[in-house]
Formats: sequence, structure tokens, C-alpha cells
Amino acid sequence: NAGVMQNPRHLVRRRGQEARLRCSPMKGHSHVYWYRQLPEEGLKFMVYLQKENIIDESGMPKERFSAEFPKEGPSILRIQQVVRGDSAAYFCASSPRTGLDEQFFGPGTRLTVL
Amino acid sequence: KQEVTQIPAALSVPEGENLVLNCSFTDSAIYNLQWFRQDPGKGLTSLLLIQSSQREQTSGRLNASLDKSSGRSTLYIAASQPGDSATYLCAALNAGGTSYGKLTFGQGTILTVHP
Repeated sequence: NAGVMQNPRHLVRRRGQEARLRCSPMKGHSHVYWYRQLPEEGLKFMVYLQKENIIDESGMPKERFSAEFPKEGPSILRIQQVVRGDSAAYFCASSPRTGLDEQFFGPGTRLTVL
Repeated sequence: KQEVTQIPAALSVPEGENLVLNCSFTDSAIYNLQWFRQDPGKGLTSLLLIQSSQREQTSGRLNASLDKSSGRSTLYIAASQPGDSATYLCAALNAGGTSYGKLTFGQGTILTVHP
């Protein structure tokens, strides 16, 4: 049973470009969470999604960031017009049935904005 | 709003020592608390999860305790080894209201075990 998969593992973008980060949850998991780890800071919650629904996006910056978890395919975290301050490690986690289940984390995508 | 604090921020010990990492949280109405390990440039590995109804969990040389009333959890590592060197994170999950599904993380304790 494969764990949570994220790709790419490393992503380099220039300021103003778009970044798309993908997360495939564990098999049978229908809940996905995105967290961000800024340099020298702890992990912070960004968004919680179920298939085709955003449950809680209270941790998402108001502009340029969006997330989706379609009926088919991986969850996508999209960052438009990236800035240097977006450079961070972005982690995805999944859980099987509810938001109270144990969350299993992927290896992360490290975004560098030049 | 839940806040999680970890002390110490960094710890350096000789191989073989037993050690304790501390985690405190402000909102005692937690549903569960998880301890993770993070190696440099890597993802998170779950070590132990303690449900709110439990007092402790054990896995190998690791033992985690939970005291909801005092808002504290400790991770005990017995007979430390250089391979234990990593950042250890604790994260609290609250069930109520707007906290559903959100893990609140501490800043971590950077552990170095030297031979």
C-alpha cells in the first residue's frame, strides 16, 4: 500500500510564474490536508479538502493560492504569480474517513522561487 | 485558538542517554496528539499518536505520555542512538468548531545524539 505521494519533490519557479503541486492520498483515503513549512518556522495548516469539496481553507493566503481535490486524480495546490516569500516546503497529508483520523504525510514539495 | 510549544528548542546528548522532549498546548480540549520525526530535507514520519482518552503510548524505545489537565505531553527516548538525531514535532488535533481536521504543530526540538 503506497503512502502519500507528492510531486514534484523539488520545484523551481521564477517570480511571476505559476506553481502546481500535486498530492495523491493513500489508497482509500478521501480527506486531504495541505501544510506549509516556511524556512525556520513550524508547519502551518493551509487547507482541508474532501473529494470535490473544500472543508476549511482558513489557512490559505487570500490571494494567489487555490486548492482542489477532484473526483478523479490528485489534489492540486496552485500558486499563481509566485513571489520569493512563497519559497517553502509544502506537505500534503491524508486520512481515511474523517478529519479526526490520523493524518499520514507525504514527503513534501520544496518550492524555490528565484 | 490552539497553540503548541516545544521545549527545548535544541538538545545535544551523548549516545546511550535517556531523554525527554516536552510539548505543551493551550487548549486542553484536544482529540489526539501526535509525535513526528523529521529528518533534514525530508517529510514527516509519525512516531506515536495518543488519543485524548489515553495516558500513554509506547513503541520500542519511545514512550509518549499525555496529561490533558495540565496541557502537556512528553516524548521519552530510551538509550538514545546517533540515528535518533532529527527534529521532533508534536501536533495537537482539536475536534471542536473551526479546529476540525487541523493539526497545530509546535516549532520542534532539534535532537543531536553524538557518538
